[in-house]
Amino acid sequence: AQSVTQPDIHITVSEGASLELRCNYSYGATPYLFWYVQSPGQGLQLLLKYFSGDTLVQGIKGFEAEFKRSQSSFNLRKPSVHWSDAAEYFCAVGESHGGATNKLIFGTGTLLAVQP
Amino acid sequence: DSGVTQTPKHLITATGQRVTLRCSPRSGDLSVYWYQQSLDQGLQFLIQYYNGEERAKGNILERFSAQQFPDLHSELNLSSLELGDSALYFCASTPGENYGYTFGSGTRLTVV
Repeated sequence: AQSVTQPDIHITVSEGASLELRCNYSYGATPYLFWYVQSPGQGLQLLLKYFSGDTLVQGIKGFEAEFKRSQSSFNLRKPSVHWSDAAEYFCAVGESHGGATNKLIFGTGTLLAVQP
Repeated sequence: DSGVTQTPKHLITATGQRVTLRCSPRSGDLSVYWYQQSLDQGLQFLIQYYNGEERAKGNILERFSAQQFPDLHSELNLSSLELGDSALYFCASTPGENYGYTFGSGTRLTVV
């Protein structure tokens, strides 16, 4: 079965510092990978997704992620964090059954705190 | 506003009771997914409907059921509620069978 591991439960960075959130997945074929962000009391917003092609994916809010097949990783990065980036971040892998279903398997999330 | 509407936003009810959560998908989206988010289980897929038909089931309890109506809105029914059912319930919609999920803001259910 597919699975997603986010090894960091909680991360604190200073405003203006760079950020990297780790994500490792387990999937037999080429995975469909996603990063979502959840602010308190809000739903999940899609930051970026990888289906195929260029392994460096650009998303919204200045985020990017790199797919590394050899490491089964899809880490999220941002060069300079803003206080408004404080939120919980979820990595997810898409599970398909012959194209009939596209449910997402989510990691446990990484809670990002930003220090002034 | 994501375009996916969930009502109510908050719900407090007693153990043993039954509740119905409602989801209106984004205009044009045919597929609706339900997810449960709890502290101990994280985000868990419950069930998917596509154009009125059930397509996939995840970790959905037998006490839970769902349906999607001809106007494409969906309802998640939770019965014989237990304290452990307290969670955030999200629905998400997609235009078809692809991965362009749009999530609603969720219904926070508290069972007391």
